[in-house]
Amino acid sequence: QVRLKESGPRLVQPSQTLSVTCTVSGFSVTSYHVSWVRQPPGKGLEWVGAIWKGGSTDYNSALKSRLSISRDTSKNQVFLKMNSLQTDDTGTYYCAKHPRAGSYFDYWGQGVMVTVSS
Amino acid sequence: DIQMTQSPASLSASLGETVTIECRASEDIYNGLAWYQQKPGKSPQLLIYNANSLHTGVPSRFSGSGSGTQYSLKINSLQSEDVASYFCQQYYDYPFTFGSGTKLEIK
Repeated sequence: QVRLKESGPRLVQPSQTLSVTCTVSGFSVTSYHVSWVRQPPGKGLEWVGAIWKGGSTDYNSALKSRLSISRDTSKNQVFLKMNSLQTDDTGTYYCAKHPRAGSYFDYWGQGVMVTVSS
Repeated sequence: DIQMTQSPASLSASLGETVTIECRASEDIYNGLAWYQQKPGKSPQLLIYNANSLHTGVPSRFSGSGSGTQYSLKINSLQSEDVASYFCQQYYDYPFTFGSGTKLEIK
């Protein structure tokens, strides 16, 4: 059974770095691609970036300078780091699986709600 | 970036009715379009991919159509469990972009 689960801090101070972990089961991160998608409260969805099964990454150009996506294949985990957080980075951060590169998302995690506030 | 314009922003319909949600891309996306359903407090769930292919386990009352820049999601025989927000997403080009969403309610 395919599962993705995000974990990370619920509260981050402005200008600090967000670190979120996506732990997957039912598939290997070396066989399928994983993206991060975020959603501000009550608003729409924004693709943040992806790590492909070969380990390369793609980032949303609007966020690229602040982003890093990496993985630990031995633990089947994918990591999101975003620095210089501001209040408009508040939202739910989801990891989601692609069935193939450059495609839609067939499975999503439950998300982690992150509030950027002092 | 490819802009996705979704309409309507909200929709109210009666049980058993048929509803249609539209999505327009700012350029041809060659059927690289998916539809998701998001229930309150939950993560999005895939309904349709490649514009008209039904994801595994999705009821057949959901269907997708369209081509080029114009796409639509149709829900036949509206059920109470269809109350949710619906989003389109293009994956023809990076960055992947989403429509702004349609909130569906029951009258």
